Amino acid sequence: GDSVTQMEGPVTLSEEAFLTINCTYTATGYPSLFWYVQYPGEGLQLLLKATKADDKGSNKGFEATYRKETTSFHLEKGSVQVSDSAVYFCALSSLGAGNMLTFGGGTRLMVKP
Amino acid sequence: DAGITQSPRHKVTETGTPVTLRCHQTENHRYMYWYRQDPGHGLRLIHYSYGVKDTDKGEVSDGYSVSRSKTEDFLLTLESATSSQTSVYFCAISESAPLNEQFFGPGTRLTVL
Repeated sequence: GDSVTQMEGPVTLSEEAFLTINCTYTATGYPSLFWYVQYPGEGLQLLLKATKADDKGSNKGFEATYRKETTSFHLEKGSVQVSDSAVYFCALSSLGAGNMLTFGGGTRLMVKP
Repeated sequence: DAGITQSPRHKVTETGTPVTLRCHQTENHRYMYWYRQDPGHGLRLIHYSYGVKDTDKGEVSDGYSVSRSKTEDFLLTLESATSSQTSVYFCAISESAPLNEQFFGPGTRLTVL
């Protein structure tokens, strides 16, 4: 079945540092890929998405490129802020019953001033 | 923000009691989902619905039932709550088109003593 693997956290960075959170996937067919973010005490919010190979999703300074050859969708940001501290989830959606999402385990990011 | 509400937001109950969680949407989206979030497991799908009275099981459906009598409401019932069902429960919605992103509610924190 489908699966998503994320790097384990927590990831601790200083403000203005470069961020990479690795995500790889296993899926049949051609899934859509997503990054969701969860701030403390809140539900998940869609951060960005990509629907086909070589697509780049971007939002709020974050970006991720759909790499079919390496089955990866790594999240990057050039300069993190304290307000980026949150848990980040990589997910995929494959064609099939229910339009279901398969999530990775989540990566907690802590940004220090 | 997508119009999704969950009730109650917090609940403490005792082992063996029935519990019903409600998800309400104002977006008229076809698909609705119930997930649970536990440390180290990310989000896991419990049940989902692809239309009124149309539901199916997810990855961790044992001990849970659902009902959808109206487009806007999706109920999750724990017939006899157990301590292993202590978790944070999230509802999500999605439009009809395949591979669309899901929008999440704020979550319900359930504690079973």
